[in-house]
Amino acid sequence: DTGVSQDPRHKITKRGQNVTFRCDPISEHNRLYWYRQTLGQGPEFLTYFQNEAQLEKSRLLSDRFSAERPKGSFSTLEIQRTEQGDSAMYLCASSSGNRANQPQHFGDGTRLSIL
Amino acid sequence: DAKTTQPPSMDCAEGRAANLPCNHSTISGNEYVYWYRQIHSQGPQYIIHGLKNNETNEMASLIITEDRKSSTLILPHATLRDTAVYYCIVLPYNQGGKLIFGQGTELSVKP
Repeated sequence: DTGVSQDPRHKITKRGQNVTFRCDPISEHNRLYWYRQTLGQGPEFLTYFQNEAQLEKSRLLSDRFSAERPKGSFSTLEIQRTEQGDSAMYLCASSSGNRANQPQHFGDGTRLSIL
Repeated sequence: DAKTTQPPSMDCAEGRAANLPCNHSTISGNEYVYWYRQIHSQGPQYIIHGLKNNETNEMASLIITEDRKSSTLILPHATLRDTAVYYCIVLPYNQGGKLIFGQGTELSVKP
């Protein structure tokens, strides 16, 4: 169990650029979640996958955001045409099993800064 | 989703027990109580969860009142490394597992 891995840890980009983050869940965890956290606030749910299927998306996930989990293993989160308000920590979590109440294990996030 | 209420901050002396309260008066029968914590610059860390009965693991104990409207997380011997924001979350059994985080309690363990 090597834990949830996120890459990169930090990303600085100019407004209007596209960015992509990667999340590698714990091996054999079939559920994968993305959250966003702004300074001083708790994490907010963005979307989740069960295997390769994206089962729920938050209203926070605008058209500029897209997430994929093509083979049911790692996942990517892409933000197109970044805006100042996208500056945040993007967290990934994974859990096992078929029951939704299994504990989620989080990575240490990707911190995005928009110049 | 049931909401939770936690004090914004608490202090605890190192070596003493830290008792973190959480109110979830609108909890329904199939909703679990979860506790996570977040140390500065890290992702949230799972601590413990329960439905009705009290639970204990190597990190903490969870005491849930009989009416399930409130709970207390107990760190029996707090250390400086327990300084973190602690989140109490009510999670429905069958709604995908997404966690709804509130503001949490910022616990400061002092020497």
